[in-house]
Amino acid sequence: DGGITQSPKYLFRKEGQNVTLSCEQNLNHDAMYWYRQDPGQGLRLIYYSQIVNDFQKGDIAEGYSVSREKKESFPLTVTSAQKNPTAFYLCASSKEAAYEQYFGPGTRLTVT
Amino acid sequence: GENVEQHPSTLSVQEGDSAVIKCTYSDSASNYFPWYKQELGKGPQLIIDIRSNVGEKKDQRIAVTLNKTAKHFSLHITETQPEDSAVYFCAASLVGYSTLTFGKGTMLLVSP
Repeated sequence: DGGITQSPKYLFRKEGQNVTLSCEQNLNHDAMYWYRQDPGQGLRLIYYSQIVNDFQKGDIAEGYSVSREKKESFPLTVTSAQKNPTAFYLCASSKEAAYEQYFGPGTRLTVT
Repeated sequence: GENVEQHPSTLSVQEGDSAVIKCTYSDSASNYFPWYKQELGKGPQLIIDIRSNVGEKKDQRIAVTLNKTAKHFSLHITETQPEDSAVYFCAASLVGYSTLTFGKGTMLLVSP
């Protein structure tokens, strides 16, 4: 059963701690994306990767880091430098860059 | 870069009525326009998309129309049902770029 998985669904951290969000896909897609969603803000792009071992910053990359060591995996680290990390984080993938992006179920991160 | 405006931000209809959500984009070079439906607490789901070489596309009760001259596209839902209640996002992809630009979303509420 193909799809995108994100874990965990809910994540709680203390301020000042780094935290890594998982994203895995078995769709054989080349491109993967991370978005942040806040109420009334729509979807804002954090990072994207079109191929293994390569990634580019999106519109709001400050305070985040990513890696793409495997085609199937694109983990996102929210660092202590991110000033307002509490949000809903969505991972997506597409066979061809930009077109037909498919989203995972999301991870809701709460930092206190 | 591309800018996508989406209206209205909220839309309330009675079951059985039609609903129309409109988006405008800024760059005439954009050539791909998807629509996503997001239910509460879940990731967005691609429901329909259109490319710039066609003016209209239908899939059962939903349709998308594109006016390239005016740089706007619309989602039409006929015979709305309570399960259509969700947040809908439009997006646009600019030729030569690898990412989608999203509108800020429309919350559709269908009352029985």
